[in-house]
Parts: sequence; C-alpha cells; structure tokens
Amino acid sequence: NAGVTQTPKFQVLKTGQSMTLQCAQDMNHEYMSWYRQDPGMGLRLIHYSVGAGITDQGEVPNGYNVSRSTTEDFPLRLLSAAPSQTSVYFCASSYRQGTYEQYFGPGTRLTVT
Amino acid sequence: AQSVTQLGSHVSVSEGALVLLRCNYSSSVPPYLFWYVQYPNQGLQLLLKYTTGATLVKGINGFEAEFKKSETSFHLTKPSAHMSDAAEYFCAVREMGGTGNQFYFGTGTSLTVIP
Repeated sequence: NAGVTQTPKFQVLKTGQSMTLQCAQDMNHEYMSWYRQDPGMGLRLIHYSVGAGITDQGEVPNGYNVSRSTTEDFPLRLLSAAPSQTSVYFCASSYRQGTYEQYFGPGTRLTVT
Repeated sequence: AQSVTQLGSHVSVSEGALVLLRCNYSSSVPPYLFWYVQYPNQGLQLLLKYTTGATLVKGINGFEAEFKKSETSFHLTKPSAHMSDAAEYFCAVREMGGTGNQFYFGTGTSLTVIP
C-alpha cells in the first residue's frame, strides 16, 4: 500500500494564480480531509469529505474548493492564490467507523509570492 | 466545539531524562484520544491512541500515555529521552458520535533533546 500520497511536494505560486493540490489514498477510506499547518497554530481543517460526492467545510475554507468524485482522490483547489495561503498542506484519510485514526500524507509546501 | 490544549509549545529535556508532554481536552464525554509525531519535513504519524479499555496506553518508540477522565487529560511520557525523539508532537481528539470530521488537534509541542 502506498497509503496517502500528495503531489506536488513543493510549489511556488504568484498571487492570483490557481492550482490544484492532489491527494490520493489506496486504503479504501471513506473519510478524507485537508489541513493546513502554520507555525504556532497546529493543524486547521480546510475541507473534508465523508464519502464520494459528499464534502463539507472545515474551520478555514475560504479561498479553497474541493470535490470528491471517487473514494481514492480528494483534490484541493486554490482559486486565486494569496500570500496568506503560504503554508504546508496535509491530506489525511480514515475509516468512517472504528477508531477513526487518521493517516497523513507527506505534505505539500506552498509559497505564494 | 472541542478544544485541545497542549501546555508548552516548546519543551527541552536532556538525553536520558524523562519526557512529559501535556494534553488536556474539553469534552465532558470521553472522546477517542491520539498522539501524533511529526519529524522535520515529514507528515504526521500515529504514536499511540486511546479508545476504550485500559487507560495506560503504550505506543511506538517507548512512549506511553495515560487517560485520566477526572482530569480530562492524556499526557504523553517516555522514561528516557533519546536524540531521535526530537520532533513536533500533536495531541488530538475525536469526538464520539456524529458523522462529520470531529477530529481536533492541539497546537503542538516541539521537543528538543539536549545531548
């Protein structure tokens, strides 16, 4: 199993550009989530999905879109990048039942200039 | 909403000394509890978890944590710190019930091990 994979590992964008961060998992997990990690703020939930076709907002959704057309993939779209979106982004997945422990991808380090 | 408090954003210990990282949560109903570790430039990996049963939980790399319901705490300990333990540690809780992402993280504690 590859677990949770994320691409790219690093990205530099100019203000106003758009891009998609990719996330995939091969564990047949129902739940998938996107977090951003900023110094001193821990992990903040951006969007999450409880299954294909179902998404919902987290704590900091503004400026981001998601969709979940398959169980495996959960891409995060930045519509018009802003310097405030400079962060490290983590994708995570878990089963819908059981202990709910989350499995994390390696992260994408995004810089917006 | 749930809140997770990690006391001390930075903790330094000498190699061989006791490691104690503190975590308190706010829920009145005991949730599922987790500790994750993040090594530099990596993702988070599960260190240990408490769901039900024995309140003292053992994890990887010699770490353990004790769930204390009366104190709403889940502190992480290791008897003897090793240089390789230097990392960021996150406490997390998963609220019981519901169908959404009810996973809440603390702000993290950075552990430095002094040789």
